[in-house]
Amino acid sequence: EAGVAQSPRYKIIEKRQSVAFWCNPISGHATLYWYQQILGQGPKLLIQFQNNGVVDDSQLPKDRFSAERLKGVDSTLKIQPAKLEDSAVYLCASSPRTGGSNEQFFGPGTRLTVL
Amino acid sequence: GQQVMQIPQYQHVQEGEDFTTYCNSSTTLSNIQWYKQRPGGHPVFLIQLVKSGEVKKQKRLTFQFGEAKKNSSLHITATQTTDVGTYFCAGPNSGGSNYKLTFGKGTLLTVNP
Repeated sequence: EAGVAQSPRYKIIEKRQSVAFWCNPISGHATLYWYQQILGQGPKLLIQFQNNGVVDDSQLPKDRFSAERLKGVDSTLKIQPAKLEDSAVYLCASSPRTGGSNEQFFGPGTRLTVL
Repeated sequence: GQQVMQIPQYQHVQEGEDFTTYCNSSTTLSNIQWYKQRPGGHPVFLIQLVKSGEVKKQKRLTFQFGEAKKNSSLHITATQTTDVGTYFCAGPNSGGSNYKLTFGKGTLLTVNP
């Protein structure tokens, strides 16, 4: 079974530039998560999708971050404009369904460096 | 909001020694999950505990959920170099129809061969 795919794996940009990350979850997984992991900390949820609808985006900085999940499969996370403090690893995860108790399957992440 | 705290933040052991990390939640949890993240890698699910006082074992790893369902621990017996990584606990938010995990900051384990 293929895992969660993410691209790019690494990205270096200058502050105020824009960047986009892509995620392809495990086939059939209805729930998709985007996390931000700053060095030395645990993953912090940015946004959660159930199929193509947003379940939770309470911790998403909506003035600069946006995300979509078209057709309930792939998802993109965009930052525009980027700030220095956005340097982090952006992890995508998926699980078969929301609610109840489900393990989350994480992708390899995209390491973003903002200069 | 809900907080999940882990101690210690770092732990360095000699190979063969035991290791324990502790997780405490500010609220009662319906369940708790544990993940391992190797250096440069991504979090990988280890286990989920649901019942009060539950104890589960995976080879050298023993996971425990507290009676009050507000704390948990992970104990590794006779550590090996393959155990190196950061161990995270994560608990679901309390209340509401949404289900999302709050991760602790993790415990970084290093093992000296």
